[in-house]
Amino acid sequence: GAGVSQSPSNKVTEKGKDVELRCDPISGHTALYWYRQSLGQGLEFLIYFQGNSAPDKSGLPSDRFSAERTGGSVSTLTIQRTQQEDSAVYLCASSCPPQRGQNSNQPQHFGDGTRLSIL
Amino acid sequence: AQTVTQSQPEMSVQEAETVTLSCTYDTSESDYYLFWYKQPPSRQMILVIRQEAYKQQNATENRFSVNFQKAAKSFSLKISDSQLGDAAMYFCAYTGTASKLTFGTGTRLQVTL
Repeated sequence: GAGVSQSPSNKVTEKGKDVELRCDPISGHTALYWYRQSLGQGLEFLIYFQGNSAPDKSGLPSDRFSAERTGGSVSTLTIQRTQQEDSAVYLCASSCPPQRGQNSNQPQHFGDGTRLSIL
Repeated sequence: AQTVTQSQPEMSVQEAETVTLSCTYDTSESDYYLFWYKQPPSRQMILVIRQEAYKQQNATENRFSVNFQKAAKSFSLKISDSQLGDAAMYFCAYTGTASKLTFGTGTRLQVTL
């Protein structure tokens, strides 16, 4: 498919375990974003990658959260020593490169998310 | 910091009728963009419509249109001729120089027969 692909779709794990969530953006999209959506809430920004620039990590809630983007494509969000409050849907989005003279205003295209449940 | 406020947790509309979802935002930036996203139970966020702040003309996409009041920092979404498939969570979102999207808490829209 041509959309943003996330895996797994659902993940259940025990408190204290580490988890890895994967995002495969749309081909050619240089920007990649991770968001978290807790039950009944809006989306909360976590981290943003743009090309080869240093990522914007300003939304990561603690040092247990980290993300990588290898080769400018696939990204992995890692949560170490998971806690029950980490339970949420984790959404990934990607967008085209910004047009000349404009900020990064390209629409973000979202995947279906990973529902993470911490027991 | 930018904030987005959606004051209607739930709205209901009859099929074929018109409904307006409210959104207000706060920012000190002059160059920004506003979006409405739809999230059905499938979880995927679907872009409905977007508005560039520098454009005075309100954006329109088929049955969806916005009322953008820049001075009032208001950005409402109007859905005309509502359909059963319009039932979903609707999120208002803002992006400026920081690129990330800032979302409101959403409005759940029910469409009744």
